[in-house]
Amino acid sequence: DGGITQSPKYLFRKEGQNVTLSCEQNLNHDAMYWYRQDPGQGLRLIYYSQIVNDFQKGDIAEGYSVSREKKESFPLTVTSAQKNPTAFYLCASSTLTGSGANVLTFGAGSRLTVL
Amino acid sequence: QKEVEQDPGPLSVPEGAIVSLNCTYSNSAFQYFMWYRQYSRKGPELLMYTYSSGNKEDGRFTAQVDKSSKYISLFIRDSQPSDSATYLCAMTTGGTALIFGKGTTLSVSS
Repeated sequence: DGGITQSPKYLFRKEGQNVTLSCEQNLNHDAMYWYRQDPGQGLRLIYYSQIVNDFQKGDIAEGYSVSREKKESFPLTVTSAQKNPTAFYLCASSTLTGSGANVLTFGAGSRLTVL
Repeated sequence: QKEVEQDPGPLSVPEGAIVSLNCTYSNSAFQYFMWYRQYSRKGPELLMYTYSSGNKEDGRFTAQVDKSSKYISLFIRDSQPSDSATYLCAMTTGGTALIFGKGTTLSVSS
């Protein structure tokens, strides 16, 4: 079945450590996204990529980095510069529908906890 | 004013009730409107999307868009306990990243 795989599902990190969250899709979608979800905050866009080897900052990119070396993969690194990294991280991908809607398909999420 | 406003709830209804979930927005350039459902500790899944104004129906779910009022709604008929989840509205001008509401938490009791 086509879909988006995020790993790990749960991750614990000590302060000062960098961690990388994996996101792989087999939907042949061109665009990929990373969102952060906090209680009461909704989904906030961290980074997105519309094509291989290119990506743009979203609303809350500080303290995060990404790469897009392959169409299928869009890993997110949470660096030690991110002051409050404990959150639920969601990866998504999209393609345009026939009507032009940018419909996102989400992965199951990765929950990061900083100890 | 935030781009997309959504009442977080929680909203509690008995099984079989009609549920109305709503969002307002400020950007008149939004053309595509979507509703996602998110179960606890899971990723959101697309329920419905509509283009411009009008209604769209899919089983027990109806999405309405009123662009003149900058107001969208999702109606759930004959609500079931399995409908208990957080419902997120999202919108875009087209071909760009979605802007999400904060989500409304719905609880349907049997």
